[in-house]
Amino acid sequence: NAGVTQTPKFRILKIGQSMTLQCTQDMNHNYMYWYRQDPGMGLKLIYYSVGAGITDKGEVPNGYNVSRSTTEDFPLRLELAAPSQTSVYFCASSMRGTLQETQYFGPGTRLLVL
Amino acid sequence: RKEVEQDPGPFNVPEGATVAFNCTYSNSASQSFFWYRQDCRKEPKLLMSVYSSGNEDGRFTAQLNRASQYISLLIRDSKLSDSATYLCVVNLDAGGTSYGKLTFGQGTILTVHP
Repeated sequence: NAGVTQTPKFRILKIGQSMTLQCTQDMNHNYMYWYRQDPGMGLKLIYYSVGAGITDKGEVPNGYNVSRSTTEDFPLRLELAAPSQTSVYFCASSMRGTLQETQYFGPGTRLLVL
Repeated sequence: RKEVEQDPGPFNVPEGATVAFNCTYSNSASQSFFWYRQDCRKEPKLLMSVYSSGNEDGRFTAQLNRASQYISLLIRDSKLSDSATYLCVVNLDAGGTSYGKLTFGQGTILTVHP
């Protein structure tokens, strides 16, 4: 199993541009999450999904959109990039989203908005 | 007040030392607790869950004090390979419906030197 994979690894965007961060997992996990991590900070939840077709907002959803058309894929869309969105983005997944369950993280996408 | 607070460090210790990290959380309804480890420019990985009775995994011991809303991690006989950022993580969901939404502290940096 590849686990959770993310593309691209690194991207530079200009202000106002848009892009999609890709996330795929091959563990047949139902729950998927997007987090962002600013320098020297912990991770903050952007959006999450409990299954195909079902998504919900996390702590910091403004400026982002998500979709979940398949169990495997959970792309994150930035429509109008702003410097405040410069961050490292991590996708994660878990099987059942239960209290004690481990989340498995992808390697991250580093985004710089100039 | 931050939901999960950690001393950011950095902690610089020699090999073989014992080091302890502390974490406090603000929401008394928090249900589950974890320590994740994050190597430089990598994704977080679960180090251990934290249980009310305290738990140990080799050189690592985690403690939870629900009354004081306090979590700790003790590392004995530190190794060079223990150098990383240690993230205190809390699942704030209550009422039996988790969705696995995690709240992260900002992390404590540990450097173990020869």
